[in-house]
Amino acid sequence: ETGVTQSPTHLIKTRGQQVTLRCSSQSGHNTVSWYQQALGQGPQFIFQYYREEENGRGNFPPRFSGLQFPNYSSELNVNALELDDSALYLCASSFGGEGGLYGYTFGSGTRLTVV
Amino acid sequence: TQLLEQSPQFLSIQEGENLTVYCNSSSVFSSLQWYRQEPGEGPVLLVTVVTGGEVKKLKRLTFQFGDARKDSSLHITAAQPGDTGLYLCAGVRDSNYQLIWGAGTKLIIKP
Repeated sequence: ETGVTQSPTHLIKTRGQQVTLRCSSQSGHNTVSWYQQALGQGPQFIFQYYREEENGRGNFPPRFSGLQFPNYSSELNVNALELDDSALYLCASSFGGEGGLYGYTFGSGTRLTVV
Repeated sequence: TQLLEQSPQFLSIQEGENLTVYCNSSSVFSSLQWYRQEPGEGPVLLVTVVTGGEVKKLKRLTFQFGDARKDSSLHITAAQPGDTGLYLCAGVRDSNYQLIWGAGTKLIIKP
């Protein structure tokens, strides 16, 4: 069974640009969550998708948006990039809503640098 | 305000010593998960505790969930250099099973 894969692994963007990050969930998992992790800190919850619907959102502005596809893969889009958006973006998957109660499988992340 | 207070933030000890990492909150959690993260990688799940008072062991690591399900601890016996990493606790509080994270404990075990 494959784990969670994220692409790209690294990305450099200019302030004001837009970026799309991609995530393929672990086989059999239908819930995907996105997190932002600044250097030396714990992850911060951005939002979660369950069966293609957003079912939770953290304290992030609307320029952070997402999508989940019928195959349960997901995208994170960030518009009007700011320097503070520089971080490791993590995708995690679980099976069903209740699967998250017992743990998530994380990808290796996308390191985004905004200059 | 951090909903999950994790301490210490940084710990550097010699190989063979014991250590405990704490994760505390005033909120009740449905489950408490412990992850370990290496630089440039995503967190890897170590253990999940669900029942108040539950104790789980993973080789030299012992995890405990508080009776009131508001706190948890990770104890490492006879630490080894391979235990070096960032240890994160994360709790599930609501019906959407979203994770609330501690700030992490950076652990360095010196040979």
